[in-house]
Amino acid sequence: DIVLTQAPLSVSVTPGESASISCRSSKSLLSSKGITSLYWYLQRPGKSPQLLIYQMSNLASGVPDRFSSSGSETDFTLKISKVETEDVGVYYCGHRLEYPWTFGGGTKLELK
Amino acid sequence: QVQLKESGPGLVQPSQTLSLTCTVSGFSLTSNSVSWVRQPPGKGLEWMGAIWSGGSTDYNSALKSRLSISRDTSKSQVFLKMNSLQTEDTAIYFCTRRGTGRDYWGQGVMVTVSS
Repeated sequence: DIVLTQAPLSVSVTPGESASISCRSSKSLLSSKGITSLYWYLQRPGKSPQLLIYQMSNLASGVPDRFSSSGSETDFTLKISKVETEDVGVYYCGHRLEYPWTFGGGTKLELK
Repeated sequence: QVQLKESGPGLVQPSQTLSLTCTVSGFSLTSNSVSWVRQPPGKGLEWMGAIWSGGSTDYNSALKSRLSISRDTSKSQVFLKMNSLQTEDTAIYFCTRRGTGRDYWGQGVMVTVSS
C-alpha cells in the first residue's frame, strides 16, 4: 500500500498569516495518463471531510483561492494564505492512484 | 442536489456483522461510484472499498476477507456488510461519491462495537 506521511502533526497560525503542510508519498503518484493523483481534504470539527484540491493542483468547486497546492511525484505542499477562522480543522492528503486509496495521518490547524 | 445519507445500528456486539445503508439522491448509481470510508474516534481516514457504476467492487485488502459492498439501484441504495466485528472497528462510517472537481460525502454514522 502507498504510505502518505504528513508534516507537521499540528500547526498554530495567526489569522491572516500563511500556513504550509507537507505530504510525502512512498511511491510516485504520477499516473500513466500524466495525472498526479494527490488530493487534499479539510475536516472541520464534527464535520465530514471536504475536498480542497484534486489531482495535485486543481482547486475543488467552491474552495477559496487562498488554498493552493504544488509538488513533484512524491512530495507535495498545501499552502493556505491569509488563514481565516473557518480554516480550522484537520487536513489530510490522499491518493487515488491504485487500490487501496490511502490517506495521510492528518495535520491539525489551530489559530493562535 | 446530490445527497448521501448513511444509516445503520449505532451499537454492534463483538463478533457480529455490521450492516450499513447509504441512501443517495440527485444522481444515479449506474453512472457513478460510491466508496465507504471510516474514521475511528480521534483518528484518521481509512478507505474501505467502492462499488463502481457497472456494479464491480474493490476492497481494501486489509478488510477484504470481512467486507462486502453491494447496491440496489432501484432504491438508490448502497450497502456495506462487514463480519467478525471487533472493538477496533468502532468508527464513524462515511459513504462518498466523486464528482467533477468535487466530492460528495454523507454526514457519517457512528458505529460502536461493544458488548
